Amino acid sequence: QLQLQESGPGLVKPSETLSLTCTVSGGSISSSSYYWGWIRQPPGKGLEWIGSIYYSGSTYYNPSLKSRVTISVDTSKNQFSLKLSSVTAADTAVYYCARHKGGIDCWGQGTLVTVSS
Amino acid sequence: DIQMTQSPSSLSASVGDRVTITCRASQGISNSLAWYQQKPGKAPKLLLYAASTLESGVPSRFSGSGSGPDYTLTISSLQPEDFATYYCQQYYSSLSLTFGGGTKVEIK
Repeated sequence: QLQLQESGPGLVKPSETLSLTCTVSGGSISSSSYYWGWIRQPPGKGLEWIGSIYYSGSTYYNPSLKSRVTISVDTSKNQFSLKLSSVTAADTAVYYCARHKGGIDCWGQGTLVTVSS
Repeated sequence: DIQMTQSPSSLSASVGDRVTITCRASQGISNSLAWYQQKPGKAPKLLLYAASTLESGVPSRFSGSGSGPDYTLTISSLQPEDFATYYCQQYYSSLSLTFGGGTKVEIK
């Protein structure tokens, strides 16, 4: 059974870079036809797609975040990662990693990242 | 970008009621639409994809329909475990996913 698990700091200072890693177990991140993505949800608000990566390394980003986002993959570790630079309080959210082809059929449990000094 | 407008933003219903939630895209999306259920403190759960295909394990009281830019999620007989927030999401533009604003289904 495929499982995804987010890891990384729960507190980031304003203007710094948020870094999260998603570890995939129970399946290979190199599976063709699937994308691996990041979605976030500010407290009490809706879902926002941040970006996705194909196992080959091709990346796709939300245009509103593109200038600050980098997503990378490490197939040897079965992991993919998110970096979001120059964070502000508006970036405080639960961050989910996920697998999708069209619909998102597998989600991590989510990790709360708070941006505060 | 394709924008997704979901309505209503909230509704109150009773167990056994038929519930309908709508989602309108800013352009036609050729049935490239998924629906999710999210309960407090949990990750969303995929209910349907391709507008009307039920994900494995999802009860048949959930159904989806629509075409072009307009889509509907229907719960035929609301059960206690269905009280949650529901989101639509388009993947027509596969390189840029967008979600609707969500519909909170509450107990009347």
